[in-house]
Amino acid sequence: EADIYQTPRYLVIGTGKKITLECSQTMGHDKMYWYQQDPGMELHLIHYSYGVNSTEKGDLSSESTVSRIRTEHFPLTLESARPSHTSQYLCASSSAGGPLSEQFFGPGTRLTVL
Amino acid sequence: GENVEQHPSTLSVQEGDSAVIKCTYSDSASNYFPWYKQELGKRPQLIIDIRSNVGEKKDQRIAVTLNKTAKHFSLHITETQPEDSAVYFCAARGLGNDMRFGAGTRLTVKP
Repeated sequence: EADIYQTPRYLVIGTGKKITLECSQTMGHDKMYWYQQDPGMELHLIHYSYGVNSTEKGDLSSESTVSRIRTEHFPLTLESARPSHTSQYLCASSSAGGPLSEQFFGPGTRLTVL
Repeated sequence: GENVEQHPSTLSVQEGDSAVIKCTYSDSASNYFPWYKQELGKRPQLIIDIRSNVGEKKDQRIAVTLNKTAKHFSLHITETQPEDSAVYFCAARGLGNDMRFGAGTRLTVKP
């Protein structure tokens, strides 16, 4: 079934650890996005990609980095996690079919940094 | 770039009443306006969308209206039920292809 997958779903780690949040999609989409969201609150775009080898920073400044080596895969990395990084991270994707294309979200990773 | 404002931030209604959430956008070139529903602990799910060549779209109890001249669009939920309780996000996408989301409305339907 075509979907967006995120792992892990929940992660509790200590300050200073390096972590990678995985996102993969079987939707056949070119565009992928990462949002940061505190539960039930505003969606903040932190990274996006329009295709392989394309990555851009979003509206919200983030200390994370992303890569796009394969179309279906868009991992997000925090080199040194801090308590301020505690949040939910949502991955999303959409087709390259122009501005009228729908955007779909993954189930999210809830990150807690102690 | 696009800027989307959403009101109200919280909305409480009695079961069976109607709920209306309003959004305004700034980029007159925006031509796609989706609405997402996010239940507690779940991902945002697309519930309805409207393209700029249409003024109104309806799907059972939910409807969306678009006024391009005034640059605002609204979500209408009729005969609300407790399972409609969630956070609702409006969004707008323009020719630049970037989607901008409103800040969300927390809807509570009291039984």
